[in-house]
Amino acid sequence: GDSVTQMEGPVTLSEEAFLTINCTYTATGYPSLFWYVQYPGEGLQLLLKATKADDKGSNKGFEATYRKETTSFHLEKGSVQVSDSAVYFCALLNGSGNTGKLIFGQGTTLQVKP
Amino acid sequence: DAMVIQNPRYQVTQFGKPVTLSCSQTLNHNVMYWYQQKSSQAPKLLFHYYDKDFNNEADTPDNFQSRRPNTSFCFLDIRSPGLGDAAMYLCATSRSPGQRNSPLHFGNGTRLTVT
Repeated sequence: GDSVTQMEGPVTLSEEAFLTINCTYTATGYPSLFWYVQYPGEGLQLLLKATKADDKGSNKGFEATYRKETTSFHLEKGSVQVSDSAVYFCALLNGSGNTGKLIFGQGTTLQVKP
Repeated sequence: DAMVIQNPRYQVTQFGKPVTLSCSQTLNHNVMYWYQQKSSQAPKLLFHYYDKDFNNEADTPDNFQSRRPNTSFCFLDIRSPGLGDAAMYLCATSRSPGQRNSPLHFGNGTRLTVT
C-alpha cells in the first residue's frame, strides 16, 4: 500500500541554519503531496502542498518540490528561526471520490536553538 | 475567521467511564474526520463523515463511535476508555475526500487522559 517515510529526528539546528527534512513516498498513480506542521500543544497546520510532478510548494520561507523520478518531497528552508521549532509531517493523498485518504509519515521534530 | 474548534482542550476521564469529545466547524465543509495521535506518532485516522455517510477505518476499535447531527458538529464517543486510549484526538475537515485541492483543516485537538 501507499506509504510515506521521513528522516528520523530530532533535527537540532542553530538559528539561521539551512534546513532539509527528507521525505520519500511509495504510491501507485499520481498522489498529491503535503507538508503539515504541528506546534507544541496544537493541531496540524497545512504548510505547503504540490499536486503534480515538478510542482514546487512554498510558504513562510519553506519550499518542497515534487520529484516523481526520485519519489521525494524534501522540505527545505534557507534560514530557520527559533519559532520554526515544531514537528513536521509529510503526507500524501491518493485516490479520488470517497476512497482517498491522507497518509502521514512518522513526523520529524525540529529544534532550533538561538 | 473560519475554523475548526475542538472542546475541551484537555479532558480527563476514568477508566471505563464514557466520554464525548466535540468538534465544530465554520468552514461549511462536507467532510469531517477524527484522528487519534499518540505521543511522537503520526495521526491515525479513526473514521470520517462525508455529509451524513459514515466511513469507519477497518482497524478502528468498536469502542470508538461518532455522531454528526448536522454539517457543523461532529462528536467522538469513547464508550469504555482504556489506559491505551489516552492520546490527542484531532478533528479535521475538508471540502471533499480524496481530492487533490482539498487539504485538511485541523482543530487544535483534545488531549485525553485516562486515570
